[in-house]
Formats: sequence, C-alpha cells, structure tokens
Amino acid sequence: RKEVEQDPGPFNVPEGATVAFNCTYSNSASQSFFWYRQDCRKEPKLLMSVYSSGNEDGRFTAQLNRASQYISLLIRDSKLSDSATYLCVAKAAGNKLTFGGGTRVLVKP
Amino acid sequence: ETGVTQTPRHLVMGMTNKKSLKCEQHLGHNAMYWYKQSAKKPLELMFVYNFKEQTENNSVPSRFSPECPNSSHLFLHLHTLQPEDSALYLCASSQMDRGASSGNTIYFGEGSWLTVV
Repeated sequence: RKEVEQDPGPFNVPEGATVAFNCTYSNSASQSFFWYRQDCRKEPKLLMSVYSSGNEDGRFTAQLNRASQYISLLIRDSKLSDSATYLCVAKAAGNKLTFGGGTRVLVKP
Repeated sequence: ETGVTQTPRHLVMGMTNKKSLKCEQHLGHNAMYWYKQSAKKPLELMFVYNFKEQTENNSVPSRFSPECPNSSHLFLHLHTLQPEDSALYLCASSQMDRGASSGNTIYFGEGSWLTVV
C-alpha cells in the first residue's frame, strides 16, 4: 500500500462548480499535512497547510480526519486557473515529507 | 521569482558523461533536499541535508552523489546514469530548528529536466 494515496483523476469540473477530493495516508505517526499545487512542467508550490480543525483560504477548504487517516481539499467556484495537479503531502518526524501521486483537476468553461 | 534556483534547467547527457546539478537557496533555510519526479510517479525523496549534514539517503544508487558545501548550496553529481534516470530533479529547502522533530514546510526550485541518452 502506498504511504499517501490519491485518486489520479482527472476531475473534469465546469467553471463555477465545486470539486472535492481526498487523500489517504497510512503512517499514523504523520504529524502535519499540506496541499501543494503543481502546474504542468512546473515545480510544486504550497497551496495550504491542513490543520486539525480544518481551515479555509478563500475558495479552498482543507479538512483532516485523523481517525480515518485522510485529508480533503474542496474548491468552490472553480476558476479556469485552478486547473492543475494537487499533491497531498504528509510530514513525519525529521521533516520527511511523503507526496501522493497527485489529483489532476481540469476546469472547463 | 523564486527563493530556490536550480541550474541547469535542462540537461541532456550520455550514459558515460559526468555532470552536476546545482541548487542555491536564498531563503536563509538550513535544510535542503533533492527530489526526483518521473513521469506518472509521485515525487521521490532522494537526499536530505540538515545543517550541511546528510540525514537521509533514500536508497539512492551511488551513480547519484550529493554534495552540500554550505547551507545555501546543494549539488547533485551524476555519473554513468541510465536512461531510466531521465526525470525532473527538484531541489527544495526549509527551515529546520536544531533538535526539533519537525520543521516548516519546504519550498521548491523550478527543477532540472534531465534526459539520459
């Protein structure tokens, strides 16, 4: 089983719609979690950290469920510019980050 | 703009060549990383340096040799690579507090696209 698993997608989303997807992690010792965004042939960039109580940053909402060992990302009012691959990241002790394979989102007009 | 710069951005090398990838971070961080990203695979951690000391070698073949002369610079020396080593090599940095079990998140450079022929 992969340490961090994501549905590769693609999620085809009409512009203005809401999309949500999950990421599961197997290491119960993971301490913190992040969502990164990666555009085609570019480096990953931090989108947001994921806090235990859940957190929101504009149109993006992240949730953490430690009991079921998954995190989620919800994008409201999708924009064309939201088209990207979203990488789930679990961080263990020693700043060791494990990346999921990414979920591809395509927002279409 | 990026706080982590990598050169070269693109590299084509033969299997008998020796080349190096260079990374420099301008963020004042004390931890640096090399990641490999192959087509349709997750990012793979290769090496971690904390305070210039290598703290992680993720079973990387010896044909990849990292060097960290100071906390701002990181190299990846390449020799006798195989075509399957063709990938995007990403350098990253973060701030790690000495003795702490966790650190802040990491920031990536734009990557070096490597093709081995």
